[in-house]
Amino acid sequence: NAGVTQTPKFQVLKTGQSMTLQCAQDMNHNSMYWYRQDPGMGLRLIYYSASEGTTDKGEVPNGYNVSRLNKREFSLRLESAAPSQTSVYFCASSDGRGVDTGELFFGEGSRLTVL
Amino acid sequence: GIQVEQSPPDLILQEGANSTLRCNFSDSVNNLQWFHQNPWGQLINLFYIPSGTKQNGRLSATTVATERYSLLYISSSQTTDSGVYFCAVFYTGGFKTIFGAGTRLFVKA
Repeated sequence: NAGVTQTPKFQVLKTGQSMTLQCAQDMNHNSMYWYRQDPGMGLRLIYYSASEGTTDKGEVPNGYNVSRLNKREFSLRLESAAPSQTSVYFCASSDGRGVDTGELFFGEGSRLTVL
Repeated sequence: GIQVEQSPPDLILQEGANSTLRCNFSDSVNNLQWFHQNPWGQLINLFYIPSGTKQNGRLSATTVATERYSLLYISSSQTTDSGVYFCAVFYTGGFKTIFGAGTRLFVKA
């Protein structure tokens, strides 16, 4: 089992460019999440999808859009990248049911640098 | 919003020593999870523990939800325990999670 797979692992962008981070999980989980981690800090929630067909803002949603393509896939898009979006991005999934989020499982992260 | 504080922020241990890491949270939570982020940046699940005590080898965790804290115990530490330990809390009634800033652990051989 691959678990949670993110692509790409590394990306360098110029300010104003756009890109999409892809995430797929093979655990048949209902819920998926995107986080960012800045140096020396914990993870901050960008967006989440409690179930297929729904998405909601997290703590730091500005400058990002998401798409829950199907139950397996959840993508994060930067429409016009800014240096402040330089970070490591983590995708996660959980078997959320109702208000119980379930245990989070993380991908290996995607390191994004915006010049 | 809910606040999550971890202590100590940094910890240096000699191999073989024991340690206790603490996670305090300011409001009721649905659940709590402990992670280890290794030096390569991978997040490894340690415990999913809304209340009570769980043990896994040299590690154990206790959450006292009514008093709003959780403890992670590491016994007989090894150099491979080095990294950052995060607790994450899940809002009551929601899917939003808040991570603490972490405890950075270095175990010396």
